[in-house]
Amino acid sequence: DAKTTQPNSMESNEEEPVHLPCNHSTISGTDYIHWYRQLPSQGPEYVIHGLTSNVNNRMASLAIAEDRKSSTLILHRATLRDAAVYYCILRTGSARQLTFGSGTQLTVLP
Amino acid sequence: DSGVTQTPKHLITATGQRVTLRCSPRSGDLSVYWYQQSLDQGLQFLIHYYNGEERAKGNILERFSAQQFPDLHSELNLSSLELGDSALYFCASSTSGQVGAGAFFGQGTRLTVV
Repeated sequence: DAKTTQPNSMESNEEEPVHLPCNHSTISGTDYIHWYRQLPSQGPEYVIHGLTSNVNNRMASLAIAEDRKSSTLILHRATLRDAAVYYCILRTGSARQLTFGSGTQLTVLP
Repeated sequence: DSGVTQTPKHLITATGQRVTLRCSPRSGDLSVYWYQQSLDQGLQFLIHYYNGEERAKGNILERFSAQQFPDLHSELNLSSLELGDSALYFCASSTSGQVGAGAFFGQGTRLTVV
């Protein structure tokens, strides 16, 4: 599987936007970029995914670089409930399972 | 609520025993995935079933097996349990298993082997 690189941890203030970066320089043309998050003591939760164009849903926005070698998950207004580990995953055609890395631990400060 | 149901939520058993974990996918989802999460290993993919057929295997031990039934629920069987098998076991489901589809996870079964 193509690899992703994320910062180990980030902090944000409550009610401010959060930009979580992900680098995936070896991405191939058919790889989808998926984001999941895992709150303490819960199962991973699907956040958003995209291929080439930016994507928006009720939880977040996904901004994908033009060369697709990086992407950014945007939480528009962080809340305390957004404190979680965020995983950026490339989902490849030949291996349809999600391969989780270590993710980014997001801390939201009140 | 993801719509994926896992039972039981907690399980405590002794070494050498056998247990069965159950997963009911979201209505209409044909794909079921099993993952193991331990403190030192993170989330590890075990196995993927699509509409009753095994599609991919990950780091699944020979002591572990799984199946998906005609009603699409899945069971993960763990036998000859060892202390190191203590972990959270998650299942996830998705509509097709295709790379463009999101996967939805259950709340997990916490297995403690004593």
